[in-house]
Amino acid sequence: DAGITQSPRHKVTETGTPVTLRCHQTENHRYMYWYRQDPGHGLRLIHYSYGVKDTDKGEVSDGYSVSRSKTEDFLLTLESATSSQTSVYFCAITRDRSSGTEAFFGQGTRLTVV
Amino acid sequence: TQLLEQSPQFLSIQEGENLTVYCNSSSVFSSLQWYRQEPGEGPVLLVTVVTGGEVKKLKRLTFQFGDARKDSSLHITAAQPGDTGLYLCAGETGGFKTIFGAGTRLFVKA
Repeated sequence: DAGITQSPRHKVTETGTPVTLRCHQTENHRYMYWYRQDPGHGLRLIHYSYGVKDTDKGEVSDGYSVSRSKTEDFLLTLESATSSQTSVYFCAITRDRSSGTEAFFGQGTRLTVV
Repeated sequence: TQLLEQSPQFLSIQEGENLTVYCNSSSVFSSLQWYRQEPGEGPVLLVTVVTGGEVKKLKRLTFQFGDARKDSSLHITAAQPGDTGLYLCAGETGGFKTIFGAGTRLFVKA
């Protein structure tokens, strides 16, 4: 158990509204990630963070922003939700870069944009 | 665009049967991970392979990394209902870049 908590676990929101998903970790890991998982696409990296206030874009970052003001919290914001952002979102951490990208995932947030 | 292709996409077998799942790419990976994911949960790491030709065993699961580090296989011996789940492979190409396959959904019938 890597001590990762995502909230909320489920959310339904309307098109055009802002949405923020939260990832909280208890083990003080430096690297945190946000992925989305869609059928037929596997997991795709949205944004990642390599420290407080240090973030960068992933493969599918358009329409998303992130913030990390504390080591333990990594927030993903959809500024204006669209139906194409309906997905399951996973937060992950990696414990040690030298061990490769062995990731530990949260339980996911199922987001539906109607 | 770098891709990791997994096959088959779906597999339904009887308890006790053997199976192999494949993960293929044209890219060379510095390491490759296999995960299992159950419904409503996040993926859970099973193994990491790093060296070309490497074989790792985890009880009834055998993982192999291709000699050229472009492909991998997962073999399950005498599958059990508890093996049911989505199996994902993920390859690291360097930096923070990890590519995930779309997964193989395995269903083992009792």
